[in-house]
Amino acid sequence: DAGVIQSPRHEVTEMGQEVTLRCKPISGHDYLFWYRQTMMRGLELLIYFNNNVPIDDSGMPEDRFSAKMPNASFSTLKIQPSEPRDSAVYFCASSLMLDIQETQYFGPGTRLLVL
Amino acid sequence: GDSVTQMEGPVTLSEEAFLTINCTYTATGYPSLFWYVQYPGEGLQLLLKATKADDKGSNKGFEATYRKETTSFHLEKGSVQVSDSAVYFCALSEAGATNKLIFGTGTLLAVQP
Repeated sequence: DAGVIQSPRHEVTEMGQEVTLRCKPISGHDYLFWYRQTMMRGLELLIYFNNNVPIDDSGMPEDRFSAKMPNASFSTLKIQPSEPRDSAVYFCASSLMLDIQETQYFGPGTRLLVL
Repeated sequence: GDSVTQMEGPVTLSEEAFLTINCTYTATGYPSLFWYVQYPGEGLQLLLKATKADDKGSNKGFEATYRKETTSFHLEKGSVQVSDSAVYFCALSEAGATNKLIFGTGTLLAVQP
């Protein structure tokens, strides 16, 4: 398996622009997680899905952030409009419900810079 | 709520030194415990895990034992290498079988030759 795939790997944009981050989880995994990592705040869980349904979005910073999972093999995290404070590395991770040890498998991340 | 506390870094060691990174947790029930590692420019990777009290997880020379009495899961390695330089995250599984993990703040390890 190719593992969790994220695109783009790097994104540079200007304040006010829309940003869309993409994630393809490991085939057959039931859970999908979006995280944000910054020096100041560390690793933060933004939202997670189970069987394509959002379960907990309490970590989403504000209305400018939205996430969707239209099918089991694809998810997006959108920021509109983007702001410089959104600059961070965004990770997607997936896991298998039946894996009682709950291992999460992380993608390589998208490094976002908002100017 | 559940939480994880790990020692602050950076931890700087010479090659072949002994490593300990402390991790303690607060949780309801009996969570699984994890150590993840993040190498520069990469995503997090599972290093080892333990699912019940007194279990020892091990991988690549690293070990950690699930201590229920002290609510700890300290990471150890007898002889570190330069290639072990990375950020190490302790985590626990949230109660309720949600597959959600609660991570510590991470500890940067720098190993010098």
